[in-house]
Amino acid sequence: AQKITQTQPGMFVQEKEAVTLDCTYDTSDQSYGLFWYKQPSSGEMIFLIYQGSYDEQNATEGRYSLNFQKARKSANLVISASQLGDSAMYFCAMRVGGNNRLAFGKGNQVVVIP
Amino acid sequence: SAVISQKPSRDICQRGTSLTIQCQVDSQVTMMFWYRQQPGQSLTLIATANQGSEATYESGFVIDKFPISRPNLTFSTLTVSNMSPEDSSIYLCSVEEGTDTQYFGPGTRLTVL
Repeated sequence: AQKITQTQPGMFVQEKEAVTLDCTYDTSDQSYGLFWYKQPSSGEMIFLIYQGSYDEQNATEGRYSLNFQKARKSANLVISASQLGDSAMYFCAMRVGGNNRLAFGKGNQVVVIP
Repeated sequence: SAVISQKPSRDICQRGTSLTIQCQVDSQVTMMFWYRQQPGQSLTLIATANQGSEATYESGFVIDKFPISRPNLTFSTLTVSNMSPEDSSIYLCSVEEGTDTQYFGPGTRLTVL
C-alpha cells in the first residue's frame, strides 16, 4: 500500500520568505501522481499543484513549485514569497496507477508572520 | 475546475440521530468521493460513489453507518447514521477532473453531542 510521510513540526515563516514543506512517499508502482493541497482554518481543501511520476520537469504553479526527486521518493513543496494568506495546513497526497484513491499525509502547519 | 457545494456547511447533532450531507457539482462527473477528517487528523476516504452503481467503501467504513446515494452525475448524498461523538468530523466530497486531480467541496463540519 502507498504511504505518505510528512514529519515536520509546525513552521513559522517570515512574510516574503520562501518555505519548503517536506513530503516523502513509498510505493512500488511506476505510475503515480503526487498532489499538494492547502487547508486554511475554514476547512476547505484547495488543490495547489500536481506532479506525475513520468514528468521530467518539476511542476510549477505561480508561487508554488514541487521539488520532485524520484530516486529519493520525495516531493517537497516550495512556496516562494510567503503571504499572510498562506497560513494553513498543507497536505501531500498520492494516487497510484489506475487506482483513484488518494492517500494523504498528516499535513504540515505553516504560520506566516509579518 | 468544477464548482462544488455542500449542505449543510455545519451542524450540531444529538447522539443517536442521523444527518444527510448533500454534495452538488456544477458539471457532470463520473466519480465522486467522500472523505472524513477527524479533529487534528488527515483525510480518510470513506467511499467512492459512481452514478448507477453502489458505492465502494473503504476498509473500516460500512454502508449501514454511511449510506451513500448517487442519483445522477451532479449530485450525491452521504448519511451519517446513528451518530456518536466519535463521528464529529469534517466531511468532504470531491470530484475527479483533468489529470486525475480531485477537487473538494467546502466541507461539512459536524459536531455530535
